[in-house]
Amino acid sequence: NAGVTQTPKFRVLKTGQSMTLLCAQDMNHEYMYWYRQDPGMGLRLIHYSVGEGTTAKGEVPDGYNVSRLKKQNFLLGLESAAPSQTSVYFCASLGMGAGANVLTFGAGSRLTVL
Amino acid sequence: EDKVVQSPLSLVVHEGDTVTLNCSYEVTNFRSLLWYKQEKKAPTFLFMLTSSGIEKKSGRLSSILDKKELFSILNITATQTGDSAVYLCAVEAYNTDKLIFGTGTRLQVFP
Repeated sequence: NAGVTQTPKFRVLKTGQSMTLLCAQDMNHEYMYWYRQDPGMGLRLIHYSVGEGTTAKGEVPDGYNVSRLKKQNFLLGLESAAPSQTSVYFCASLGMGAGANVLTFGAGSRLTVL
Repeated sequence: EDKVVQSPLSLVVHEGDTVTLNCSYEVTNFRSLLWYKQEKKAPTFLFMLTSSGIEKKSGRLSSILDKKELFSILNITATQTGDSAVYLCAVEAYNTDKLIFGTGTRLQVFP
Protein backbone atom coordinates (compact mmCIF):
# COMPACT_ATOMS: atom_id res chain seq x y z
CA ASN A 1 0.00 0.00 0.00
CA ALA A 2 1.31 3.42 -0.92
CA GLY A 3 -0.87 5.15 1.70
CA VAL A 4 -0.84 8.89 1.13
CA THR A 5 1.27 10.26 -1.70
CA GLN A 6 2.03 13.93 -2.25
CA THR A 7 3.47 15.52 -5.35
CA PRO A 8 5.65 17.39 -5.88
CA LYS A 9 8.01 16.93 -2.93
CA PHE A 10 9.81 20.21 -3.56
CA ARG A 11 8.93 23.33 -5.50
CA VAL A 12 10.30 26.84 -5.80
CA LEU A 13 7.95 29.54 -7.04
CA LYS A 14 8.20 33.24 -7.74
CA THR A 15 5.75 35.62 -6.12
CA GLY A 16 2.52 35.68 -8.10
CA GLN A 17 2.93 32.29 -9.74
CA SER A 18 0.32 29.62 -9.32
CA MET A 19 0.68 25.93 -8.61
CA THR A 20 -1.21 22.86 -7.47
CA LEU A 21 -0.19 20.26 -4.92
CA LEU A 22 -1.66 16.83 -5.42
CA CYS A 23 -2.53 14.41 -2.65
CA ALA A 24 -3.56 10.86 -3.48
CA GLN A 25 -4.61 8.11 -1.10
CA ASP A 26 -5.35 4.49 -1.86
CA MET A 27 -7.07 3.55 1.41
CA ASN A 28 -10.60 4.54 0.38
CA HIS A 29 -10.65 7.14 3.15
CA GLU A 30 -13.51 9.61 3.29
CA TYR A 31 -11.74 12.49 5.02
CA MET A 32 -8.74 14.33 3.64
CA TYR A 33 -6.83 17.32 4.98
CA TRP A 34 -4.22 19.83 3.98
CA TYR A 35 -1.95 21.21 6.71
CA ARG A 36 0.96 23.59 6.65
CA GLN A 37 3.81 23.35 9.08
CA ASP A 38 5.94 26.35 10.02
CA PRO A 39 8.61 26.66 12.70
CA GLY A 40 7.06 27.28 16.10
CA MET A 41 3.54 27.04 14.70
CA GLY A 42 2.86 23.34 14.66
CA LEU A 43 0.48 21.91 12.10
CA ARG A 44 -2.25 24.29 10.98
CA LEU A 45 -5.24 23.16 8.99
CA ILE A 46 -5.75 24.91 5.66
CA HIS A 47 -8.72 23.12 4.13
CA TYR A 48 -10.31 19.74 4.50
CA SER A 49 -12.85 17.47 2.86
CA VAL A 50 -15.32 15.03 4.36
CA GLY A 51 -16.09 13.30 1.11
CA GLU A 52 -15.96 13.45 -2.65
CA GLY A 53 -17.25 16.75 -3.92
CA THR A 54 -17.09 18.52 -0.54
CA THR A 55 -14.56 20.95 0.91
CA ALA A 56 -14.41 23.16 3.99
CA LYS A 57 -12.14 25.86 5.40
CA GLY A 58 -9.71 25.22 8.18
CA GLU A 59 -7.75 27.64 10.34
CA VAL A 60 -5.70 29.31 7.62
CA PRO A 61 -7.59 29.04 4.31
CA ASP A 62 -6.75 32.44 2.78
CA GLY A 63 -4.74 32.27 -0.41
CA TYR A 64 -5.53 28.61 -1.03
CA ASN A 65 -8.21 26.71 -2.87
CA VAL A 66 -8.96 23.01 -2.89
CA SER A 67 -10.91 20.48 -4.87
CA ARG A 68 -12.03 16.91 -4.23
CA LEU A 69 -13.41 15.75 -7.56
CA LYS A 70 -12.43 12.15 -6.89
CA LYS A 71 -12.49 10.42 -3.54
CA GLN A 72 -8.84 9.41 -3.73
CA ASN A 73 -7.47 12.86 -4.66
CA PHE A 74 -7.37 16.16 -2.81
CA LEU A 75 -5.78 19.08 -4.62
CA LEU A 76 -4.41 22.22 -2.99
CA GLY A 77 -4.02 25.24 -5.22
CA LEU A 78 -2.18 28.50 -4.77
CA GLU A 79 -3.58 31.06 -7.20
CA SER A 80 -0.98 33.77 -6.63
CA ALA A 81 1.86 32.59 -4.43
CA ALA A 82 3.24 34.87 -1.72
CA PRO A 83 6.43 34.55 0.35
CA SER A 84 4.23 33.98 3.42
CA GLN A 85 3.18 30.70 1.83
CA THR A 86 6.69 29.33 2.07
CA SER A 87 6.14 26.26 4.20
CA VAL A 88 6.03 22.51 4.34
CA TYR A 89 2.63 21.19 3.34
CA PHE A 90 1.25 17.91 4.61
CA CYS A 91 -1.71 16.05 3.31
CA ALA A 92 -3.48 13.52 5.51
CA SER A 93 -6.41 11.16 5.24
CA LEU A 94 -8.70 9.61 7.79
CA GLY A 95 -10.85 6.52 7.55
CA MET A 96 -14.28 6.27 9.16
CA GLY A 97 -15.18 3.53 11.56
CA ALA A 98 -14.53 2.35 15.09
CA GLY A 99 -11.06 3.23 16.27
CA ALA A 100 -10.20 4.74 12.93
CA ASN A 101 -9.66 8.29 14.09
CA VAL A 102 -5.99 8.36 13.27
CA LEU A 103 -4.58 10.43 10.47
CA THR A 104 -2.26 8.98 7.91
CA PHE A 105 0.13 11.61 6.62
CA GLY A 106 1.90 12.05 3.34
CA ALA A 107 5.64 12.72 3.29
CA GLY A 108 5.23 16.46 2.86
CA SER A 109 5.84 19.01 0.11
CA ARG A 110 8.36 21.77 0.69
CA LEU A 111 7.35 24.98 -1.06
CA THR A 112 9.53 28.05 -1.28
CA VAL A 113 8.13 31.29 -2.65
CA LEU A 114 10.74 33.87 -3.63
CA GLU B 1 -11.47 28.94 21.14
CA ASP B 2 -10.16 25.40 21.20
CA LYS B 3 -6.44 25.10 21.78
CA VAL B 4 -3.68 22.62 22.51
CA VAL B 5 -0.50 23.70 24.30
CA GLN B 6 2.66 21.62 24.53
CA SER B 7 5.61 22.10 26.82
CA PRO B 8 8.48 22.38 26.81
CA LEU B 9 8.98 23.66 23.29
CA SER B 10 12.44 22.16 23.21
CA LEU B 11 14.36 19.64 25.26
CA VAL B 12 17.97 18.48 25.11
CA VAL B 13 19.01 15.36 27.02
CA HIS B 14 21.68 12.68 27.07
CA GLU B 15 21.13 9.07 26.17
CA GLY B 16 19.69 7.14 29.06
CA ASP B 17 17.78 10.06 30.52
CA THR B 18 14.03 9.92 31.09
CA VAL B 19 11.89 12.69 29.65
CA THR B 20 8.32 13.84 30.18
CA LEU B 21 6.49 15.82 27.54
CA ASN B 22 3.35 17.70 28.41
CA CYS B 23 0.19 18.47 26.48
CA SER B 24 -2.67 20.54 27.89
CA TYR B 25 -5.87 21.30 26.05
CA GLU B 26 -9.02 23.35 26.09
CA VAL B 27 -11.44 21.72 23.71
CA THR B 28 -15.21 21.60 23.73
CA ASN B 29 -16.67 18.09 23.56
CA PHE B 30 -13.35 16.31 23.88
CA ARG B 31 -13.22 12.92 22.19
CA SER B 32 -9.60 11.77 22.05
CA LEU B 33 -5.99 12.90 22.35
CA LEU B 34 -3.32 11.63 20.03
CA TRP B 35 0.47 11.68 20.12
CA TYR B 36 2.58 11.68 16.98
CA LYS B 37 6.33 11.48 16.43
CA GLN B 38 7.77 13.50 13.58
CA GLU B 39 11.32 12.90 12.48
CA LYS B 40 12.37 14.21 9.12
CA LYS B 41 9.15 13.82 7.27
CA ALA B 42 5.54 12.98 8.05
CA PRO B 43 4.25 12.50 11.59
CA THR B 44 3.79 8.89 12.61
CA PHE B 45 1.16 7.78 15.06
CA LEU B 46 2.14 6.81 18.61
CA PHE B 47 -0.89 6.68 20.88
CA MET B 48 -4.55 7.51 21.06
CA LEU B 49 -6.03 8.21 24.49
CA THR B 50 -9.69 8.47 25.26
CA SER B 51 -10.05 7.51 28.91
CA SER B 52 -8.51 9.04 32.02
CA GLY B 53 -5.97 7.13 34.03
CA ILE B 54 -5.34 4.32 31.57
CA GLU B 55 -1.72 4.19 30.54
CA LYS B 56 -0.84 3.33 26.97
CA LYS B 57 2.58 1.77 26.58
CA SER B 58 4.81 0.87 23.67
CA GLY B 59 8.33 -0.18 24.57
CA ARG B 60 10.05 2.71 26.30
CA LEU B 61 7.23 5.12 25.51
CA SER B 62 4.12 5.54 27.62
CA SER B 63 1.34 8.05 27.83
CA ILE B 64 -1.55 8.84 30.10
CA LEU B 65 -4.51 11.18 29.99
CA ASP B 66 -6.13 13.24 32.76
CA LYS B 67 -9.53 14.41 31.54
CA LYS B 68 -10.26 16.24 34.77
CA GLU B 69 -7.15 18.41 34.63
CA LEU B 70 -7.19 18.45 30.80
CA PHE B 71 -3.70 17.25 30.06
CA SER B 72 -1.65 14.33 28.89
CA ILE B 73 1.97 13.36 29.35
CA LEU B 74 4.26 11.33 27.14
CA ASN B 75 7.11 9.60 28.94
CA ILE B 76 10.20 8.23 27.30
CA THR B 77 12.54 6.21 29.48
CA ALA B 78 16.17 5.31 28.72
CA THR B 79 16.23 7.72 25.79
CA GLN B 80 18.21 6.90 22.67
CA THR B 81 19.48 9.12 19.87
CA GLY B 82 16.76 7.62 17.68
CA ASP B 83 14.17 9.26 19.91
CA SER B 84 15.27 12.66 18.62
CA ALA B 85 12.22 14.12 16.91
CA VAL B 86 9.37 16.56 17.26
CA TYR B 87 6.53 15.11 19.30
CA LEU B 88 3.10 16.40 18.39
CA CYS B 89 -0.03 16.28 20.47
CA ALA B 90 -3.44 16.58 18.83
CA VAL B 91 -6.96 16.64 20.19
CA GLU B 92 -10.17 15.56 18.52
CA ALA B 93 -13.64 16.71 19.53
CA TYR B 94 -17.02 15.16 18.94
CA ASN B 95 -19.06 16.64 16.13
CA THR B 96 -16.01 17.92 14.34
CA ASP B 97 -13.98 16.62 11.46
CA LYS B 98 -10.68 18.10 12.53
CA LEU B 99 -7.73 17.51 14.78
CA ILE B 100 -6.26 20.45 16.68
CA PHE B 101 -2.50 20.23 16.94
CA GLY B 102 -0.11 21.69 19.46
CA THR B 103 3.12 23.32 18.34
CA GLY B 104 5.14 20.26 19.25
CA THR B 105 8.09 19.57 21.53
CA ARG B 106 11.47 19.18 19.88
CA LEU B 107 13.49 16.51 21.66
CA GLN B 108 17.21 16.13 21.00
CA VAL B 109 19.01 13.18 22.52
CA PHE B 110 22.81 13.29 22.48
CA PRO B 111 25.12 10.34 23.00
